[in-house]
Amino acid sequence: GQNIDQPTEMTATEGAIVQINCTYQTSGFNGLFWYQQHAGEAPTFLSYNVLDGLEEKGRFSSFLSRSKGYSYLLLKELQMKDSASYLCAHGWGSQGNLIFGKGTKLSVKP
Amino acid sequence: GAVVSQHPSRVICKSGTSVKIECRSLDFQATTMFWYRQFPKQSLMLMATSNEGSKATYEQGVEKDKFLINHASLTLSTLTVTSAHPEDSSFYICSATISGGAMKTQYFGPGTRLLVL
Repeated sequence: GQNIDQPTEMTATEGAIVQINCTYQTSGFNGLFWYQQHAGEAPTFLSYNVLDGLEEKGRFSSFLSRSKGYSYLLLKELQMKDSASYLCAHGWGSQGNLIFGKGTKLSVKP
Repeated sequence: GAVVSQHPSRVICKSGTSVKIECRSLDFQATTMFWYRQFPKQSLMLMATSNEGSKATYEQGVEKDKFLINHASLTLSTLTVTSAHPEDSSFYICSATISGGAMKTQYFGPGTRLLVL
């Protein structure tokens, strides 16, 4: 079967660092994706990992360990606009299908 | 790059009518497009996978005769909600992957909010 787990909610302070974890189980793996979704809006692509290790992109970094079925999204220098839901998804199949987790709602407080 | 548009962004209709939602890839060709539905405070639920020039693949529990999908070109897919009912009110989002791309990232449209009265 296919399953993705991530925390439902997290709270952090402006300027701080926060790590959002994601674990997955899948019979077929084709990359691990992170998306950001603000309330009432569609998801926007943040990062993609297909090999183990850390991918850094500005204030956001994403890590993957395929052997452990584990990924995290690291957000540095948090800003109020980072308050959103963060969706972990793993890809499968040849067409780019994604299985989404339920999302982690991050609240950034002053 | 990789911009996806949806039209309309918001629609209100009467129960029993049909509503068509368009999804366009503006600056790339998309062999495959995906249609999702999202209810408040819930995750994205895949409804169907749409391939240009062929029939869509529907997820279990999604009625293909109610949610008609047409992917007539490499830049356009449409979803028609037929005989809409209040329970069909939701946020419908499409996404597309770049044809021939090695990395199958899905780029999402801005979504269509449907309210059925």
